[in-house]
Amino acid sequence: AQSVSQHNHHVILSEAASLELGCNYSYGGTVNLFWYVQYPGQHLQLLLKYFSGDPLVKGIKGFEAEFIKSKFSFNLRKPSVQWSDTAEYFCAALSRNQGGKLIFGQGTELSVKP
Amino acid sequence: GAVVSQHPSRVICKSGTSVKIECRSLDFQATTMFWYRQFPKQSLMLMATSNEGSKATYEQGVEKDKFLINHASLTLSTLTVTSAHPEDSSFYICSARDNLFSNQPQHFGDGTRLSIL
Repeated sequence: AQSVSQHNHHVILSEAASLELGCNYSYGGTVNLFWYVQYPGQHLQLLLKYFSGDPLVKGIKGFEAEFIKSKFSFNLRKPSVQWSDTAEYFCAALSRNQGGKLIFGQGTELSVKP
Repeated sequence: GAVVSQHPSRVICKSGTSVKIECRSLDFQATTMFWYRQFPKQSLMLMATSNEGSKATYEQGVEKDKFLINHASLTLSTLTVTSAHPEDSSFYICSARDNLFSNQPQHFGDGTRLSIL
C-alpha cells in the first residue's frame, strides 16, 4: 500500500539550532508532496508544497524542503528554529492515481526550548 | 483565502447518541471533500472521500453504516456518527478541494473534538 513515513516521532531542539525532519513516501509515478504544521489547538496549515520543477522548495516562516526522487524523500529543513516553531509537523503525499486522496505521515512533534 | 468551516468544534454526549458534524467551504465550491480522524499524538487517517451528489467512498476498515456521509451541495458535507460509543471519541477533521484548482492543496477545517461518555 502507498504510504508516507516520518522517521522522527519527537524532536527536541534549542533555539537557533538547525532542523531537519525526514519524510519518505512509497508512491510510484507522479506525486505531489506537502508539509503541514499544526500549532497547539489550531488547524493544519500548509508550510510548503512540491508539484514539479525546482526540487528545492521554499515555504513560509523560513522553512524549505528538498524533493529527492531517487530516495523517495522530501525532508523539511530550517536553518535556525525559534520557540514559536514548537508544533506538530506532518508530511503528506497526493497521488494523481488515487483520486486526489492526501495520505499523511505519522507526524513529528517538535519542541523548541527557549 | 479559501476557508473551510467545521461545526461544531466540540461535542460531548452520551453513548448511543448520533452526532452530526458539518463541513462547509465558505468561498469556493467543492465537489470533493475529505473526512479524517486523528487520534492523540497520531497522524490524520483518511476515513472517506465525500462526493457531491453521489455516495461517499470509504477507506478500508471504515464502517459506512457507522459514519454516514452526505454531500448534498457543492459547499456542504456532513458526517454523522451513528450510535456513538466511547471508542468513537476522537478528533474529526474535514478538508475540501476547490473545484477551480484541483491540483492545489486541500483546505482544512478546524476540526471537531468528539467525546463520548
